[in-house]
Amino acid sequence: DTGVSQDPRHKITKRGQNVTFRCDPISEHNRLYWYRQTLGQGPEFLTYFQNEAQLEKSRLLSDRFSAERPKGSFSTLEIQRTEQGDSAMYLCASSLRDSSYNEQFFGPGTRLTVL
Amino acid sequence: GNSVTQMEGPVTLSEEAFLTINCTYTATGYPSLFWYVQYPGEGLQLLLKATKADDKGSNKGFEATYRKETTSFHLEKGSVQVSDSAVYFCALSEGPYSSASKIIFGSGTRLSIRP
Repeated sequence: DTGVSQDPRHKITKRGQNVTFRCDPISEHNRLYWYRQTLGQGPEFLTYFQNEAQLEKSRLLSDRFSAERPKGSFSTLEIQRTEQGDSAMYLCASSLRDSSYNEQFFGPGTRLTVL
Repeated sequence: GNSVTQMEGPVTLSEEAFLTINCTYTATGYPSLFWYVQYPGEGLQLLLKATKADDKGSNKGFEATYRKETTSFHLEKGSVQVSDSAVYFCALSEGPYSSASKIIFGSGTRLSIRP
């Protein structure tokens, strides 16, 4: 049984560089979510996809952030021109559209450090 | 907007003590309510859930009851163990058929259990 996987688990980059993270959801799940978690806080919603369609984006998702899910399977989250304030844990989750209570299964996260 | 407020930590208890972590929410409609747990070095896991008023969610000796009249979902356990040491997040979702399917998390409560 494979859960949600994320790659890489850790990323250290210099300010101004671009980074890209990948998320592989549970195979039959049609919804995929990205969250950001800073130290001492709960996760904050960034965006979500139903199949390949991006249906909602948070105001936290500035123009430097872009997410894709081209074939309705894995997703990528790219951050351009990284800033120190982007340092956080980026979490991916997936769920079934027809779940009666919208249970989301979370991956282990990608920890980003911007120097 | 919708929000979750939970008891600030850290909470430190002795083994076999009784645990309560308070959680209140603000939401329109009929949200689903969750407790997620994050063990050291691991990803977020769903601990328990409740989808309608007066439902009681339970798992691993933990319980929480959906109280619409007090907009609360307090987490309780009768006898904690060292292995329960983790960060606990109260959370809500606007419901399975809402187009806004993100989960809104509280800020988390760190629990430490002394042997």
